[in-house]
Amino acid sequence: KQEVTQIPAALSVPEGENLVLNCSFTDSAIYNLQWFRQDPGKGLTSLLLIQSSQREQTSGRLNASLDKSSGRSTLYIAASQPGDSATYLCAVDTGNQFYFGTGTSLTVIP
Amino acid sequence: DAEITQSPRHKITETGRQVTLACHQTWNHNNMFWYRQDLGHGLRLIHYSYGVQDTNKGEVSDGYSVSRSNTEDLPLTLESAASSQTSVYFCASSDGAAGTGELFFGEGSRLTVL
Repeated sequence: KQEVTQIPAALSVPEGENLVLNCSFTDSAIYNLQWFRQDPGKGLTSLLLIQSSQREQTSGRLNASLDKSSGRSTLYIAASQPGDSATYLCAVDTGNQFYFGTGTSLTVIP
Repeated sequence: DAEITQSPRHKITETGRQVTLACHQTWNHNNMFWYRQDLGHGLRLIHYSYGVQDTNKGEVSDGYSVSRSNTEDLPLTLESAASSQTSVYFCASSDGAAGTGELFFGEGSRLTVL
């Protein structure tokens, strides 16, 4: 069974810092990997989707990379802002199900 | 804009009552999913559907049922609510072949079973 791990579980950084969130998965046979943001009491908002044939995707200050062979993805956030404070989850699509990590709770301190 | 709407957003019920959570999507996606989110467990799949009249059990399906009579709706029914079913429930949908594609979520339904 696919297992998805996100470390660290929580991260606190000062405003303006660049940061990296990590996601690892045990089975490299995936269709794609998706990063989400979840604010307290809200649903999950899709940030970036990386197809299995791609190495990275960018959206504004966000850049996600995928290394399928090693079972790893990173989400890079440039010039962090207090509004980036949220929980970030990754999910892998195995072709018939999605498997989620438990998330990294990010706090950006003004 | 296309979206997924869940209702009710908050519900309190008593043990043993039947509860139905509604999910309506306007993406015209074939794939729809129900998850529950609990502290310490993350998101767990309850039921899913790859199209009209198709339903499948997820890893935590006991005590829950779904039906898919059209593309837009996948209601989740708790046959006899239990305190262990107190949770936040999320509906999601995706395009692509069965189970694949970009996943979109509703805002969630918070259920409390007393």
